Amino acid sequence: AQSVSQHNHHVILSEAASLELGCNYSYGGTVNLFWYVQYPGQHLQLLLKYFSGDPLVKGIKGFEAEFIKSKFSFNLRKPSVQWSDTAEYFCAVSPSGGYQKVTFGTGTKLQVIP
Amino acid sequence: GAVVSQHPSRVICKSGTSVKIECRSLDFQATTMFWYRQFPKQSLMLMATSNEGSKATYEQGVEKDKFLINHASLTLSTLTVTSAHPEDSSFYICSARAWVSGLAGEVPYNEQFFGPGTRLTVL
Repeated sequence: AQSVSQHNHHVILSEAASLELGCNYSYGGTVNLFWYVQYPGQHLQLLLKYFSGDPLVKGIKGFEAEFIKSKFSFNLRKPSVQWSDTAEYFCAVSPSGGYQKVTFGTGTKLQVIP
Repeated sequence: GAVVSQHPSRVICKSGTSVKIECRSLDFQATTMFWYRQFPKQSLMLMATSNEGSKATYEQGVEKDKFLINHASLTLSTLTVTSAHPEDSSFYICSARAWVSGLAGEVPYNEQFFGPGTRLTVL
């Protein structure tokens, strides 16, 4: 079975600082990888995904993530955060091929200080 | 984008009572919906996969007689917590799976759209 670990539970940044949230997964086969975001009081929504191809994927609101297969990692980055990026971010993984169960990490709470 | 609603958003009940939570896909049909449970400061844990017109598939450790799932139509799945106890207090989130047309050159893919969640408190 697959698993996901997010090492940063709570991150506090000032506006304009750069962001990198760590995500590592464990699974023996090929995977699909996701980052979801949950803004305060709102639903979980998909930020970006990796299925295949270019390991550097770009998502909404200037976020990107890089899949490094050798490191089993899918870190989320943004060069300059804004106050509106304050949210909880979840990394998730599923085995690729058809539709299979998605496993979520424990989430990272990002607080951006104006 | 696709919208999923949940009702109620918050419910408080006495121990021993049953509580029904509804999950609706508002602008698309979903043959498959998922029910998750989230404890404070923990991840979403998949409880079961709800398939329209057939029995739900429960994850290991989830009591199917306690968490009854009914997916009677392509837009509605319900989760009933039977004989609820304080340890059932949690945040329950549903999601519905839909095919999404990808960007140019990208194949369609399955995406999960999440509801806003239901906070259950059992006294």
